[in-house]
Order: sequence, then structure tokens, then C-alpha cells
Amino acid sequence: GNSVTQMEGPVTLSEEAFLTINCTYTATGYPSLFWYVQYPGEGLQLLLKATKADDKGSNKGFEATYRKETTSFHLEKGSVQVSDSAVYFCALSDRPGNQFYFGTGTSLTVIP
Amino acid sequence: SAVISQKPSRDICQRGTSLTIQCQVDSQVTMMFWYRQQPGQSLTLIATANQGSEATYESGFVIDKFPISRPNLTFSTLTVSNMSPEDSSIYLCSVASVGTEAFFGQGTRLTVV
Repeated sequence: GNSVTQMEGPVTLSEEAFLTINCTYTATGYPSLFWYVQYPGEGLQLLLKATKADDKGSNKGFEATYRKETTSFHLEKGSVQVSDSAVYFCALSDRPGNQFYFGTGTSLTVIP
Repeated sequence: SAVISQKPSRDICQRGTSLTIQCQVDSQVTMMFWYRQQPGQSLTLIATANQGSEATYESGFVIDKFPISRPNLTFSTLTVSNMSPEDSSIYLCSVASVGTEAFFGQGTRLTVV
């Protein structure tokens, strides 16, 4: 079946620190992979996505590369800001338009 | 992209009562889903709302507890029936069309007392 395993949180970093949130997946076929972000009091927003192996998704300084050989989609940012404080969810969809499978979410707090 | 309006945004309900949550999308979409996000946990799919037919429920969720309607391609409702404190959660509507990513409503934060 399909599942997503995500690094446990919470994570607390100082501003300008490097961020990595690990995500690995199990899926049948060739899924699309996503990172969603949930800011306090708001709904989920798509942060970035990758639809095939070796694709790199990027947005707002965040990056993640679809690694089929390691079944991973780790989220990285070189220099985090206080405004990046949120909960980050790794997710996959095994077919376009199909349901999403989410990881448990990682809470990130960035302190000045 | 799709803009989703979900109502109510939050509610406090008495146990034993029912609450209906509405999800309105600004464009026709193929797939609509209802998720539950319990405190401190990830999203769990409740069901897929099918237009013109009965919803498809995931294991652990039943129609009597979570009846769903989808009369057209832009609107769906989820009812949480005979509520108990264990139903306190955030309920999220999600939409997708073939070839696009999923979009989410703002969620309904339900507290059952």
C-alpha cells in the first residue's frame, strides 16, 4: 500500500539555520510527491511538488528532490526565517486526481 | 488553481447533536475528499465524495456517522452525526482534478463538549 513516513518533530531552529525534514515513502507505481505547509490558524497550502524521479521541486527557498532509489523526498532550506514557522506535511498521490497520503507532519519553530 | 470555501470555520457543539459542514469550490472539479485532522496528528481520509452517488468510505468510517452529499461538481457536505468529544477535530475538504495537485479548504475546527 501507500504510506509516508516523516521525521518526527517538533523542530526548533535559529534564524538563518539550515533545515532538513526527512520524508520517505512506500507506494505502488510511480507516485507524485508533495510538501504542504500549514501556517498557524490556516489551511494547508502546497509548498512544492515533484511528479517523477530526479525532479526537484522548489518554492520560497525550499527544495526537495524526488529520489526513487532511496524512496525519499527530503525538504531542505538553506536559511530559515521566523516566518517559516509552520507545520510541514509530506504527501504522495499515486494517481493524478486520486486521494493523498500524508505523513504525520513536522512542526517547525524558528526563533530570532 | 481552485478556491475552496468551507463553512463553518469553527463550532462548539453539544454531544449527541449533528453538524453539517459545507464545501463550495469556485470551479468544477473531478474529485472531492473529506479528511480529518485530529489534534497533533496528520490528515486521515474519511471518504471520497462522488457526484450523484454514494460516497466511498475509508476503513473505520461509516455512512451513518459521516453522511456525505455531493449534488454537483462544485459542492459537497459532510455531516458529523451523534457527536461525542472524540469527534473533536479539524475537518478538511479537498479537491483535485486529473493532473493537478490537491487544494484544501481552510478547515472546520469542531469542538464537542
